[in-house]
Amino acid sequence: GQQLNQSPQSMFIQEGEDVSMNCTSSSIFNTWLWYKQEPGEGPVLLIALYKAGELTSNGRLTAQFGITRKDSFLNISASIPSDVGIYFCAGLNFGNEKLTFGTGTRLTIIP
Amino acid sequence: NAGVMQNPRHLVRRRGQEARLRCSPMKGHSHVYWYRQLPEEGLKFMVYLQKENIIDESGMPKERFSAEFPKEGPSILRIQQVVRGDSAAYFCASSPRVGGLNEQFFGPGTRLTVL
Repeated sequence: GQQLNQSPQSMFIQEGEDVSMNCTSSSIFNTWLWYKQEPGEGPVLLIALYKAGELTSNGRLTAQFGITRKDSFLNISASIPSDVGIYFCAGLNFGNEKLTFGTGTRLTIIP
Repeated sequence: NAGVMQNPRHLVRRRGQEARLRCSPMKGHSHVYWYRQLPEEGLKFMVYLQKENIIDESGMPKERFSAEFPKEGPSILRIQQVVRGDSAAYFCASSPRVGGLNEQFFGPGTRLTVL
């Protein structure tokens, strides 16, 4: 089956730093979604990408849909304490409704 | 606008009992998905339903698990004769599925603990 690998697995950064994480797949996807999950809560949709090469921003977050359709990147600029959580990428193909989730990147901000 | 609602948020069952998890999709959404998450892992797809129809149940165990989304009322994920390995967080998502877009919005989850 399809697998999504995220890196890094975890990040420890200082407030104000920029963050980069990526997601790679063994096969192509038509849609990439990025979610954030906090303890005890469900994933919250951050950004949706529908076209290869697409670059989309949502406030301090920027995500890109890789040209090969096998990867995606998420950047967070000027991190703040509320950015703490686990970030998941998820891939989706037309006609197949199930999201395939990545392994997650856990972001911790050091005071 | 209320988001996806799930209840209960926490459920404790003894081995052999039945667990019933409920999900009310966002207003205007007629597509519901159930996912399971084990600790320190990503979510795994279980089943996709539209009103009164199961569209894709390829991720759901063949035995003891069932799901429904009746014409009226919430979607229900039912686990019969629970075992310890069923302990996990179960998330429901809904989608409007309009114009080819399929953004899925998740509820807060039900955390099932089997004693």
